[in-house]
Amino acid sequence: GAGVSQSPSNKVTEKGKDVELRCDPISGHTALYWYRQSLGQGLEFLIYFQGNSAPDKSGLPSDRFSAERTGGSVSTLTIQRTQQEDSAVYLCASSFRGGSSYEQYFGPGTRLTVT
Amino acid sequence: GQNIDQPTEMTATEGAIVQINCTYQTSGFNGLFWYQQHAGEAPTFLSYNVLDGLEEKGRFSSFLSRSKGYSYLLLKELQMKDSASYLCAVRGGESGYSTLTFGKGTMLLVSP
Repeated sequence: GAGVSQSPSNKVTEKGKDVELRCDPISGHTALYWYRQSLGQGLEFLIYFQGNSAPDKSGLPSDRFSAERTGGSVSTLTIQRTQQEDSAVYLCASSFRGGSSYEQYFGPGTRLTVT
Repeated sequence: GQNIDQPTEMTATEGAIVQINCTYQTSGFNGLFWYQQHAGEAPTFLSYNVLDGLEEKGRFSSFLSRSKGYSYLLLKELQMKDSASYLCAVRGGESGYSTLTFGKGTMLLVSP
């Protein structure tokens, strides 16, 4: 079956511009997560959606970052006024539901480069 | 704060056995995961431990000791394709009950 998909796969943007990154989770998965992975660093949690509950935004590094999940499926991560330190691979993951033993399935990521 | 430590790099020979250790200090604990990540690719799930002991799955085994804040991933009969980064992740740390906190990963290089 189809896995988690993300678009675009690569994005180059100028400092100060806004970007939108898209994630399509596995059908039927109620939990969706965004992470970012910088060179030489571990995956850093950004935000978590579970069903219709309020998202856990505790990992968002600044108010320039926001995310939405429409209809319990597709999610969009928006970065406003991008900075060079935002350059990283942004990974989306989904799981059947949050908690318990359900593993997270990761998408291929979006490589963001801010010039 | 929370901390997840694993070695940065390891090398091993094809056919050998390698053990990758992970220690953690987190504010909460709701399970420990191991993921494999090949260069340029997404992480893929390898194993999950929530109770103490050993979980075996083919050539891969994972061990957990909650009292020691310690886990290891054991890879047997190493193959060249096992060259990858291995990520230890704890669920239930400061980032939340259902979210994962990752270590920086251990880059394993398998040589002929």
